Amino acid sequence: AQSVAQPEDQVNVAEGNPLTVKCTYSVSGNPYLFWYVQYPNRGLQFLLKYITGDNLVKGSYGFEAEFNKSQTSFHLKKPSALVSDSALYFCAVRDRGFNKFYFGSGTKLNVKP
Amino acid sequence: EPEVTQTPSHQVTQMGQEVILRCVPISNHLYFYWYRQILGQKVEFLVSFYNNEISEKSEIFDDQFSVERPDGSNFTLKIRSTKLEDSAMYFCASSEETSGFSYNEQFFGPGTRLTVL
Repeated sequence: AQSVAQPEDQVNVAEGNPLTVKCTYSVSGNPYLFWYVQYPNRGLQFLLKYITGDNLVKGSYGFEAEFNKSQTSFHLKKPSALVSDSALYFCAVRDRGFNKFYFGSGTKLNVKP
Repeated sequence: EPEVTQTPSHQVTQMGQEVILRCVPISNHLYFYWYRQILGQKVEFLVSFYNNEISEKSEIFDDQFSVERPDGSNFTLKIRSTKLEDSAMYFCASSEETSGFSYNEQFFGPGTRLTVL
């Protein structure tokens, strides 16, 4: 069965420090992978995606993510966190053969000044 | 910048009543989706829609649910007889088509909060 796991409910980092939000997936074939961010009382906003090609993808607001096929992971990273990055982050995967998306349970990122 | 809009922002209904949630996707998008998010929980896929028909649906999307594109701009989700457990935030999303298939990111609306009493 297709699934996405975000093992951490919450990640706490200090402003200026690097951050990582973890995501692992399980799909039957090669996946399309996405990261979205959700601010309070708002819809989800697209950050970045992996379709094919370079395993390191860069996205909005300085975020990047690395696709690791052997570990079936797609961790979200940023070299220097900002307080304004504090939000709920969702990893999502789509099996290439189907128009159906699976979201992780979300990770709350807290960036402290 | 084009955006997905949803109405109403909040809908309160009595158990057993029918509700229709409305969405206006981005105008040149061809794939449409509904998701729900129960408070504090994960975002759950309900249904995808392309070329005037459902392309995928989840096990949540049972006979109580239906979707429709009644005209060239609106995309609706109908819940025929609401239950208490249908209380959630419902998000509409749309995405572009590339080469007859969609691997593009989805653009989400702000959501409709449905409260079933």
